[in-house]
Amino acid sequence: SQTIHQWPATLVQPVGSPLSLECTVEGTSNPNLYWYRQAAGRGLQLLFYSVGIGQISSEVPQNLSASRPQDRQFILSSKKLLLSDSGFYLCAWSERMTGGKDTQYFGPGTRLTVL
Amino acid sequence: GEDVEQSLFLSVREGDSSVINCTYTDSSSTYLYWYKQEPGAGLQLLTYIFSNMDMKQDQRLTVLLNKKDKHLSLRIADTQTGDSAIYFCAEFYGGATNKLIFGTGTLLAVQP
Repeated sequence: SQTIHQWPATLVQPVGSPLSLECTVEGTSNPNLYWYRQAAGRGLQLLFYSVGIGQISSEVPQNLSASRPQDRQFILSSKKLLLSDSGFYLCAWSERMTGGKDTQYFGPGTRLTVL
Repeated sequence: GEDVEQSLFLSVREGDSSVINCTYTDSSSTYLYWYKQEPGAGLQLLTYIFSNMDMKQDQRLTVLLNKKDKHLSLRIADTQTGDSAIYFCAEFYGGATNKLIFGTGTLLAVQP
């Protein structure tokens, strides 16, 4: 069976510090990978998605970046955090499929607080 | 356009049925989803329905789809306190970038 991991689970960082959140998937190969941000416990904002190693698409311009160094590893980074980067970050994966189906499975999330 | 709307809050008594509603905009959506999010956790896939179906039932969950009105609903029978959570509907948007478009979420509060 497939599992998805995220770490750390919680993070408190000062403004201007760097960020690295990691997501890994087990039990599948060539997954689509996604980073979402959820602010104030509601509403999901898609940040990045990837269909393969080194292939990253950005949905929203911001000071965050994503990388996919390995097939089942997805990393969210920032060089300098802003207060507005606080939120709940969710990673998700889906199988490569055609025909309009993109069932996504979510990780447990990382709670980021920027002070 | 990409817009999925849900009511923000629903309160029911334990044992009653809950109905959570969702409207979407992409008439060509092929799959529509319901996810559940408990406090501090990720999203859990509850069920999905293919667009050529009107209804799908899975134990206490019933999904109804009205394609003409672009309306999706999730009915939870015999609602329990453990059903308290935020429920998100999502549509598969097959535009330039294939992706899921999520609603804003409905907070379901179950009163004992």
